[in-house]
Amino acid sequence: EAGVAQSPRYKIIEKRQSVAFWCNPISGHATLYWYQQILGQGPKLLIQFQNNGVVDDSQLPKDRFSAERLKGVDSTLKIQPAKLEDSAVYLCASSLVGGGTEAFFGQGTRLTVV
Amino acid sequence: QQQVKQSPQSLIVQKGGISIINCAYENTAFDYFPWYQQFPGKGPALLIAIRPDVSEKKEGRFTISFNKSAKQFSLHIMDSQPGDSATYFCAASSPNAGKSTFGDGTTLTVKP
Repeated sequence: EAGVAQSPRYKIIEKRQSVAFWCNPISGHATLYWYQQILGQGPKLLIQFQNNGVVDDSQLPKDRFSAERLKGVDSTLKIQPAKLEDSAVYLCASSLVGGGTEAFFGQGTRLTVV
Repeated sequence: QQQVKQSPQSLIVQKGGISIINCAYENTAFDYFPWYQQFPGKGPALLIAIRPDVSEKKEGRFTISFNKSAKQFSLHIMDSQPGDSATYFCAASSPNAGKSTFGDGTTLTVKP
């Protein structure tokens, strides 16, 4: 079974530039999550999709972050414009259903904003 | 508001020793408590998980102890091995919310 795929693995951009991350979840997984993991901290949820609908985006900085899930499968997360404090690893995860089930994580995209 | 507090931040044990990591939660609606293991450059991977209807769950060398009244749970790694050196995260989720709230992680180093 293929895992959660993310790209790119690494990205370095200057502040105020834009960047986009891509995620392909495990086939058949209805729930997709984007987490932000700052160095030395645990992952923090940015947005949760159930199929192609948003379930929770309460911690997404909507003035600069946006996300969509195309046809309930792939997802993209965009940051525009980036700030220095956005430097982090962005993790995509998926699960069969929502709460109380195992989430499978991708390897993440390490973003450095200079 | 940090809903899941994890300790210690780092832990060093000798090979063959017992590693113990503790977590405390606040939200009584949480009903699923997974532990994730993360190696450098990789995403977290589920290690073991427990629901509050049992007080202990064991899988191989890994055991979760759960105290519902104290709102605490812990991970015990028996016979710790150098290959166990990683960062461990506890997490908690509720059935309605779906998302997991993570602790800040414990970096475990097992010395040979």
